[in-house]
Amino acid sequence: GDSVTQMEGPVTLSEEAFLTINCTYTATGYPSLFWYVQYPGEGLQLLLKATKADDKGSNKGFEATYRKETTSFHLEKGSVQVSDSAVYFCALSKVTGGGNKLTFGTGTQLKVEL
Amino acid sequence: GAVVSQHPSWVICKSGTSVKIECRSLDFQATTMFWYRQFPKQSLMLMATSNEGSKATYEQGVEKDKFLINHASLTLSTLTVTSAHPEDSSFYICSARKGTGVQPQHFGDGTRLSIL
Repeated sequence: GDSVTQMEGPVTLSEEAFLTINCTYTATGYPSLFWYVQYPGEGLQLLLKATKADDKGSNKGFEATYRKETTSFHLEKGSVQVSDSAVYFCALSKVTGGGNKLTFGTGTQLKVEL
Repeated sequence: GAVVSQHPSWVICKSGTSVKIECRSLDFQATTMFWYRQFPKQSLMLMATSNEGSKATYEQGVEKDKFLINHASLTLSTLTVTSAHPEDSSFYICSARKGTGVQPQHFGDGTRLSIL
């Protein structure tokens, strides 16, 4: 079945450091790829998405490029802030006979310190 | 746009009682709503998918009689945990999707359920 693998956390960075959170996926067909962010005690917020190969999703300084050749969708940000501390989930979605379901990775906690 | 409201945000109740959680799409019509369960420091586990006016589709291993889902309108879905026990304590999150195809899901803020 479809699956998403994320790097384990927590990832601890100093403010203004460069961030990369790795995400790879296994899926048949052509899934759409997403990054969601979850702040403590809250639900998930869509951060960015890409629907086809070579698409780049971007939002709030975060970027991720859909790489079909490496089945990856790594999340990057050039300069993180303390307010970026959260758990980040990579996910894929495909239209199937059962509907359009999200498959999540296990999440990567990011801690940004001053 | 695309705001999903979940209520209550936190509930504590005694073992054996039933608890209802509401999920509302505030500014769009949700063709489909999803219910997830999240254990501490773990990912989201899809429990069921509900389409307005029809029965929910439950994931394997999720008890239908335990977790009752009603999607009565295009803006409201409810999850009722019946005869709740301490092992049902968890963080429950709903999401809603408008339209069909590859549309993103929009998530509520979750409900922390604690059964004593």
